[in-house]
Order: sequence, then C-alpha cells, then structure tokens
Amino acid sequence: DQQVKQNSPSLSVQEGRISILNCDYTNSMFDYFLWYKKYPAEGPTFLISISSIKDKNEDGRFTVFLNKSAKHLSLHIVPSQPGDSAVYFCAASVRGFKTIFGAGTRLFVKA
Amino acid sequence: NAGVTQTPKFQVLKTGQSMTLQCAQDMNHNSMYWYRQDPGMGLRLIYYSASEGTTDKGEVPNGYNVSRLNKREFSLRLESAAPSQTSVYFCASRVGQGNNQPQHFGDGTRLSIL
Repeated sequence: DQQVKQNSPSLSVQEGRISILNCDYTNSMFDYFLWYKKYPAEGPTFLISISSIKDKNEDGRFTVFLNKSAKHLSLHIVPSQPGDSAVYFCAASVRGFKTIFGAGTRLFVKA
Repeated sequence: NAGVTQTPKFQVLKTGQSMTLQCAQDMNHNSMYWYRQDPGMGLRLIYYSASEGTTDKGEVPNGYNVSRLNKREFSLRLESAAPSQTSVYFCASRVGQGNNQPQHFGDGTRLSIL
C-alpha cells in the first residue's frame, strides 16, 4: 500500500517554462512534507519542505503547495532550467518519524 | 564537507555471500537510516537508528542486520545475499528522530547479486 504516490514517472518541459510535479498521499496523519532532488550516481538532496499548518512555501524558483483536503501536494519550478533535470522525490512523515518516499518523477528540461 | 560517506560505491556478490555496507557521517547527527532504491519503488526504509545504541526495523528489514557502531557509523550487513537484494543502497542521517529536519544522504552503494 503506497502511502505516497507520484503518478507521473516522467515529465518533459521547455527551458524557461513552469514545471509542475505532483504528489498524492493517503495517510491523513502526515504533518510534514518534503521534496528531494536526485542526480544520477548521487544521493538525494533536500530541496524544500512544508508543514501541514501551511498551504504554500516558497524558496527562490521553487514553490510547494499543499492541499490537505485533497491530500495533494505539488512542486512548481519557475522558470525551469536545464540544470533542474533530475529525479524528484516527494516524501512525508508523521511528527518527523519514518519518512515515506514516493517513487519519484524524472524531470527533463529541454534547452 | 564530507557529510555522509558510504563504502563501497559498487559491489558484485554471488548468491549466498555475505557483505557489510559501511556508512559514516561527520555532522554529529543522532539518527541514521538505511534505504534501498528499486525502479518504480522509491526509497524504502530497511533499518534505522534513532540514537546511538538503538536500532529499529523499517519497512523491508528481512535479510538484513545493522550495527550502530558509534554516533558516527551505521553499518548494514547482508548475511546471505539473494538476487532480490540487488539494489542501490542509501545511508542517511538527520539531527534527530521526531523533528522536522531533512535527512542528508550519501551517494549510495550499487549492489548486484548474481
């Protein structure tokens, strides 16, 4: 039973346009959500997070939106750059315990 | 800044062989984790250590054992490797369990079992 789902295995976007990566979760107890970015042959690196008491968190070109009623979060990258091409993992936890990861979405940003 | 260091980076084993994957962190973190990444499955937690001296099972612990050697080091052992354990293994650390801080990951160990 996948508690965190990323239903799009891949996404292709033109440089300069917006990238929107989506994530759905089933456990209503999750109260902290994170996005990690992973390049080939490297480990995941933390990108941005959001607490369940917020509905939006912004950090430069990256914004995460949380819709608790729909159990959905999304990551917006504006504008997208070729260096953003990577695999993005959505993750969630309850009070910081046992983080659950989604399967990842591979983003291609075309120059 | 070394962060989280994993050794080896690559390993090929035969079925039935044993192997220990090493992990060390230099960030004075209390909590450490072992994950495996398989295609289409994301990262799945094998074992974790909330603090020095404690270890607990994650989602997929069967076939593995761990040792929290000290605050810095957390090793993962495969006693009798099986082809189903072919995967990329990531070690991670965090300031502490139960706080909303992100995990820091090593670059992984790519393990193939023939």
